[in-house]
Amino acid sequence: DAGVIQSPRHEVTEMGQEVTLRCKPISGHNSLFWYRQTMMRGLELLIYFNNNVPIDDSGMPEDRFSAKMPNASFSTLKIQPSEPRDSAVYFCASSFSDRATGELFFGEGSRLTVL
Amino acid sequence: AQTVTQSQPEMSVQEAETVTLSCTYDTSESNYYLFWYKQPPSRQMILVIRQEAYKQQNATENRFSVNFQKAAKSFSLKISDSQLGDTAMYFCAFRTYGGSQGNLIFGKGTKLSVKP
Repeated sequence: DAGVIQSPRHEVTEMGQEVTLRCKPISGHNSLFWYRQTMMRGLELLIYFNNNVPIDDSGMPEDRFSAKMPNASFSTLKIQPSEPRDSAVYFCASSFSDRATGELFFGEGSRLTVL
Repeated sequence: AQTVTQSQPEMSVQEAETVTLSCTYDTSESNYYLFWYKQPPSRQMILVIRQEAYKQQNATENRFSVNFQKAAKSFSLKISDSQLGDTAMYFCAFRTYGGSQGNLIFGKGTKLSVKP
């Protein structure tokens, strides 16, 4: 079975440019999460969706960040305009929202470098 | 608010020996999961072991076991017969369950080095 698929794996861009990160969750999962990982702050939740509806976006840093989930099999995280402090690894994860295991399955992450 | 604390930023162990990683958490919830995730240099997040709070028996997965102390809100990970491939960051994590489950809350991680 395919796991969570993220693209791109690496992105290098210049300050001010728009960045779009993409995620395909595991088929059948109805919860999707975007996390950001940095050395200073560790793993932080940015936003999560249940059944394509945003449930908690309190971790989204500011208006430059936006996330969408137009259907059950696709989500995007967009940063516009990007800044050097946005450099991080961005993880997408998915899970069932109502099953007993509780486990989140992670993609391989997208490493973003903003120059 | 739920919090997860890992008090050991770095640890090292000799190959074939046993090491214990500590984790404490704070919550007012009664139904939750606890996890240990491993992140090797490849940066992939890999589930090591899971514990449901309602289960008194400690979870085990081959060389990995936990010591779950619910009253003390403690959840340590023991790695037996350490192998070089165990070198990684280890994250303790917490998630409530029941109804619509919330997000996974992570500790800051413990960097484990296994030395030959």
